[in-house]
Amino acid sequence: DIQMTQSPSSLSASVGDRVTITCRASQGISNYLAWYQQKPGKVPKLLIYAASTLQSGVPSRFSGSGSGTDFTLTISSLQPEDVATYYCQKYNSAPGVTFGPGTKVDIK
Amino acid sequence: QLQLQESGPGLVKPSETLSLTCTVSGGSISSSSYYWGWIRQPPGKGLEWIGSIYYSGSTYYNPSLKSRVTISVDTSKNQFSLKLSSVTAADTAVYYCARRPAKLVPVDYWGQGTLVTVSS
Repeated sequence: DIQMTQSPSSLSASVGDRVTITCRASQGISNYLAWYQQKPGKVPKLLIYAASTLQSGVPSRFSGSGSGTDFTLTISSLQPEDVATYYCQKYNSAPGVTFGPGTKVDIK
Repeated sequence: QLQLQESGPGLVKPSETLSLTCTVSGGSISSSSYYWGWIRQPPGKGLEWIGSIYYSGSTYYNPSLKSRVTISVDTSKNQFSLKLSSVTAADTAVYYCARRPAKLVPVDYWGQGTLVTVSS
């Protein structure tokens, strides 16, 4: 089974900072990688799919990159409403999906 | 607009069977374009795919839960259901029903989630 890891597990940054989260797959998954944002008590929200394609309605400060085994999610200018936990998800086979353990983002 | 809504008991006793139903509105569960599945999240922890079903009845389960999981579909009611047997406290979680397109695309619709607590 392909395992997903994320780093860091949590981070604290100031408003306006550039934030980068890394996701790694234990085997290559091409670009079948999505990023979700989950705010406390809420349903996960799809931000990015195909590693770098922004879901409709998602602010352009979010971006994704990577292919194969290494991926990143970048928030170019952190905003207070971005406080959440971010999960990567591989979907290179159907219908099962595997999530990374999550990265919790707070405001310093 | 597609909506998914979970329903079922919020409290289950240890060793018993957890049963949940997801009602789909605003779209047909009989579409060949989608899988319908369950994902859970223990309090304060991450997300775990439990399993999925195709409208034809084909099922796919997480190997770690396969021996205890049954997912079924009722196309006449536009519903699909989850049964998880022999539950323990470790099965306490928010259970989400979700839709995933049949092509290689991620989960695109989620229910609001329902908390199921396993306790005597």
